[in-house]
Order: sequence, then structure tokens, then C-alpha cells
Amino acid sequence: AQKITQTQPGMFVQEKEAVTLDCTYDTSDQSYGLFWYKQPSSGEMIFLIYQGSYDEQNATEGRYSLNFQKARKSANLVISASQLGDSAMYFCAMREVYGGATNKLIFGTGTLLAVQP
Amino acid sequence: DSGVTQTPKHLITATGQRVTLRCSPRSGDLSVYWYQQSLDQGLQFLIQYYNGEERAKGNILERFSAQQFPDLHSELNLSSLELGDSALYFCASSPRTGGGGELFFGEGSRLTVL
Repeated sequence: AQKITQTQPGMFVQEKEAVTLDCTYDTSDQSYGLFWYKQPSSGEMIFLIYQGSYDEQNATEGRYSLNFQKARKSANLVISASQLGDSAMYFCAMREVYGGATNKLIFGTGTLLAVQP
Repeated sequence: DSGVTQTPKHLITATGQRVTLRCSPRSGDLSVYWYQQSLDQGLQFLIQYYNGEERAKGNILERFSAQQFPDLHSELNLSSLELGDSALYFCASSPRTGGGGELFFGEGSRLTVL
């Protein structure tokens, strides 16, 4: 069965510093996708970044980058130059691409990030 | 703004009651997904519809049901509500049933069962 593990329930980071949020996954499929979502206190789920299992380059989106290590089955999110507005819950998620049946995502338990001034 | 609209945003009801949550997907998206987020269970996939047909089913209770209408909006019906059903219910949409792309989430409907 597919599984996403986020081992850090909460983290602190100083404003303007970089932070890495850990994510490991388990799947027997060769083709899959990895996502990170941000959930601020207001509750909405905001898509941040995507990495396909066959992508050779690590994905980047502005201050977000995904450190993808396929052999270790890890997909850590790196936020550079943290801002106060980055304080939120962050979820790692995985989609298995099996014959186009569904795009459903399996989510980890999340990491609560607090950015300190 | 993701383009996915959910109503109502907040709902308070009593045990044993029935509620309906509504979702309008992004324009052009054919797939609708329902998720439940609770403190003890985290984000759990409930069910997916694609162009009116059920496509995938997750941890959805028998007391819950959903459907997607011809205009592609979807409704999640929760009946015989229990205290444990209190949660944030998300709807998400995607353009296709598979093959790529992120899910776009609505702002959620927060259900409180008293």
C-alpha cells in the first residue's frame, strides 16, 4: 500500500533562513507523482510544487524546491528565505499513476511550520 | 483563488441530522474529489467522480453518499451524523481522471456536530 510519512510534527525557523521539511514515501509503482501543499490557519489547501517520478531535475517554484531522492524514497521540501507568511501546515502527498484511473492523492500527517521574526 | 467553490463554509448541526455539502469544480474540470480532514484521521480521501460517474472510492462511510450532476457540480450527503463526523470537508477538482496535474482544492466546509 502507498504511504507518505512526515516525521516532523512541528518546526521553527527564523525569518530569512532556509528550512527543510521531510517527506518519505512508499510505493511499489514505478510511475508516481509527489506534491506539497500548504494549509494556512484559514484552512484552504494551496498547491506548492510537483515532482514526477521520472523527472531527472528537482522541481523548483520560486522559493520552494523539492529535494527528490528516488533511491531513498524521499521528497523533502526546501523553503528558502522564510517569511512570516510561510507559517502554516505543510502536507506532502503522492499520486500513483496507474492506467489513468484516478488522480487521487494520499497525504502525510503534515508538518506545522512556525516562522519567527 | 483556486476556482473551486464550496458551500456552506461553516455548518453546525446536531447528532442524527443530515447535511448536504456542495461543490462547484473549476470551469472545465471533469473530476471532483471529496476529502475529510479531522484531527485524529488527518486528510482522508472519500470518493471521486469523473464526468458524473463514480471513479474511485476511499474511506467513505455508508452513512455518506455523493453524486456529480450533469453540470459537473457535486454534492456530498452526510446522514445520521455523529460527533466524530465533525471535520473540514474539502472538494477538489482536476481536469482529467488521470495522467498528471495537481488537485485544486476549495476552501472547505467546516462541519460541527453537537
